[in-house]
Amino acid sequence: QQQVKQSPQSLIVQKGGISIINCAYENTAFDYFPWYQQFPGKGPALLIAIRPDVSEKKEGRFTISFNKSAKQFSLHIMDSQPGDSATYFCAASRNSGNTPLVFGKGTRLSVIA
Amino acid sequence: GAVVSQHPSRVICKSGTSVKIECRSLDFQATTMFWYRQFPKQSLMLMATSNEGSKATYEQGVEKDKFLINHASLTLSTLTVTSAHPEDSSFYICSARGQLANYGYTFGSGTRLTVV
Repeated sequence: QQQVKQSPQSLIVQKGGISIINCAYENTAFDYFPWYQQFPGKGPALLIAIRPDVSEKKEGRFTISFNKSAKQFSLHIMDSQPGDSATYFCAASRNSGNTPLVFGKGTRLSVIA
Repeated sequence: GAVVSQHPSRVICKSGTSVKIECRSLDFQATTMFWYRQFPKQSLMLMATSNEGSKATYEQGVEKDKFLINHASLTLSTLTVTSAHPEDSSFYICSARGQLANYGYTFGSGTRLTVV
């Protein structure tokens, strides 16, 4: 059972464009929704995270939009740059100290000049 | 911010031998450690969850006698791959949470294991 569904699997965006990655979750007990960026051979790095009490969170060029009723959240990367080319994972978890993150399958983003 | 140091970053071992991977929380107490495995071009798959001083809880399909997890202190957790086989070759990543983490999960930098 895949608890977090992520799309698209891959994405090619022109430099300066907007990259949009979507995720949907099933477990209504989830209350923490982070996005991670991973470069080849490296561990995932936290980009931005949101809790269900807000509908949007922005940090620099990265924005999370959250729709609790639809059980969906998305990552928007504004002014995409070649250095943003990486694999992005959405994840979700419940508010519990020993509850692991459940990851989406990932999106490979390529930003071309 | 919170840092988890994972070593080694890369290791090559012969089939049948054992390999130990360490994760240390440098500036916080990791009450819970999660171990993930990631195959090429795939997502992170949870292998096990360990709380300091307790036995690890393994996910379905993960052999607990093959992947030994020790979390004896609040700053160190280890994963030992015993009697390694080529199919165990993968990228192993730890993730730690502290008692006051408030949702935060800190990931190690990963270990690339190649079994030849």
